[in-house]
Parts: sequence; structure tokens; C-alpha cells
Amino acid sequence: GAGVSQSPRYKVAKRGQDVALRCDPISGHVSLFWYQQALGQGPEFLTYFQNEAQLDKSGLPSDRFFAERPEGSVSTLKIQRTQQEDSAVYLCASSGKGRRETQYFGPGTRLLVL
Amino acid sequence: DQQVKQNSPSLSVQEGRISILNCDYTNSMFDYFLWYKKYPAEGPTFLISISSIKDKNEDGRFTVFLNKSAKHLSLHIVPSQPGDSAVYFCAANVMDSNYQLIWGAGTKLIIKP
Repeated sequence: GAGVSQSPRYKVAKRGQDVALRCDPISGHVSLFWYQQALGQGPEFLTYFQNEAQLDKSGLPSDRFFAERPEGSVSTLKIQRTQQEDSAVYLCASSGKGRRETQYFGPGTRLLVL
Repeated sequence: DQQVKQNSPSLSVQEGRISILNCDYTNSMFDYFLWYKKYPAEGPTFLISISSIKDKNEDGRFTVFLNKSAKHLSLHIVPSQPGDSAVYFCAANVMDSNYQLIWGAGTKLIIKP
């Protein structure tokens, strides 16, 4: 079956540009997560959705970061006025509803801000 | 303030021998621990998990040990195979959180033929 897909896989942006990163979770998965992974580090939690509700956005580093999942399926992470420190791999994961459900990850979007 | 630490950036092991990857944590509220494996240009893949009520969980060649008093867990892979070469991440779940996973920085495992 289809796993989690993300697009684009690579994105180069000029500083100050807005970017939108897309995540297609596994069909039927209620929970969706966004993580940011800097080079040589582990993923860091950004935000969590249960269906269309954004239940936790405590990890978003600034108000330039915005995530949505309007129909409870596809999600978009938007970064406004990108800065060089936003350069990272952005990972999306989805899972079933339970707290112990395994999170399945997409391949990530590698963002480079010049 | 790193709550989950993997102090070995890399580890090299001979094929067929045992690989032992270590992870330390500082938050005593963690009640669930996971290991993920990551190949280049792919997302992390779940490997094995352990609840804080257990001290060992085994799945085929993979065993995770949890020492709560020492706030330490380890992943044992035996026998190690070339396909095990990857980056291994330790992650922990905070009790009563909104499903957040707190991750270590990863250990790159290299299996030598």
C-alpha cells in the first residue's frame, strides 16, 4: 500500500521567499505530525493534527511557520519570509488515533534557504 | 537541553557480531521508548519499542533493554547484517503529551563485511 508521500522532495528558496510543503498521509490515518530535522540532529517536533484539528503547535519556531490540514487528510506546512536558519529536512508522519500507534514517516522535504 | 542523548555519533561492527547502540535520557516522565532506523534520503522507519513497565522487548534479531534507574536504554542487533547499516534514532514519549516524540541525535551504524 501507499506510504506517506511528501512534495517537493527538494526546495531551494531565496531568503525572504515563502514556501509551502505538502504531506499526503497514509489513507485513513487520523494523526499527522510535522518534524524539522537539522543536519546531524534528530527530528524535532513542530506540530500535530488529529483529523483537521491542530491539537499541538508548540514546536513551531516562530509565527512565520503555519500548518493546516483543512479536510483531515493532506497537510501543508507553510513558511513565510524564509530565513537561512530554516534550512533543514521537514518530515511528515502519520499514524492511527491511539497514543501508542506507530508513526510512519515520509521521505522528507529538504529545504535550502540561500 | 537535550532530554534524549545518543553519545556515539557512529559505530562500526563486523558482520555477524553484535551491535549495541546506547541511549540516555533525563526526563523521568518518559514512559515509552522507540528505536527508528533511517537510510539516506528516506524517512525514519519504526524498528522496536518498549514501555517503561518492561525492561526488555525482543523482535527477531532486535532486542531493546531499558534500565529505568539509570535512565538508559540500549538496542542490541544480533547477528549484524550489512543491511543494518543505517542511522539509528532513539525516541521517547512524554507522559500525557500530545503524542510528541523527543528524539536523540542518532548513531550511524556501519556493518563491515
